[in-house]
Amino acid sequence: DAKTTQPTSMDCAEGRAANLPCNHSTISGNEYVYWYRQIHSQGPQYIIHGLKNNETNEMASLIITEDRKSSTLILPHATLRDTAVYYCTLIRGAQKLVFGQGTRLTINP
Amino acid sequence: GAVVSQHPSWVICKSGTSVKIECRSLDFQATTMFWYRQFPKQSLMLMATSNEGSKATYEQGVEKDKFLINHASLTLSTLTVTSAHPEDSSFYICSASIAFGGNSYNEQFFGPGTRLTVL
Repeated sequence: DAKTTQPTSMDCAEGRAANLPCNHSTISGNEYVYWYRQIHSQGPQYIIHGLKNNETNEMASLIITEDRKSSTLILPHATLRDTAVYYCTLIRGAQKLVFGQGTRLTINP
Repeated sequence: GAVVSQHPSWVICKSGTSVKIECRSLDFQATTMFWYRQFPKQSLMLMATSNEGSKATYEQGVEKDKFLINHASLTLSTLTVTSAHPEDSSFYICSASIAFGGNSYNEQFFGPGTRLTVL
């Protein structure tokens, strides 16, 4: 079973920041928070991951709360191509990756 | 980034036939490969985990005799759907994993998926 909960769907205007929340209240000390996204009929695409500190890369920023029980993925300037299902998941070592239902993000023109 | 390919990208077959799907890590050696299945408007469901040279570990409810997995090398895993039926029609996705930091975490790279339609 997935150990994360996410809103089923979200909408965001093109050019605005998209903030996608994820709750993981039972996270263990050495579990990483990973975010993937899946554009329709494609394989999942890695976005970003973090353990404790906030992270940023060319795609997004990841904000992890101090207690690590929740996180937020931020797409700073959303485009139409960012429309996808976004999955938040937890991974520890060689542990298998379990996907929840994810958030269906729709970017509107 | 690491690239994972799948072949074929789509396949249509008759009921009762077997279909083989290949998953390759193109520019790295994968410690582990995973097979997922995804039905329309649903999330990915892990079917099995395979390590090179050993038997695959199947998730509960997945028939190992129906979904044969062969992991012949560190860059190739195959999934064979035997005696396929219409209910096996789905989107099959593989991923290949690399261990980082002395196995402190594994990063998975996903293939583009194979759409199987059984008539």
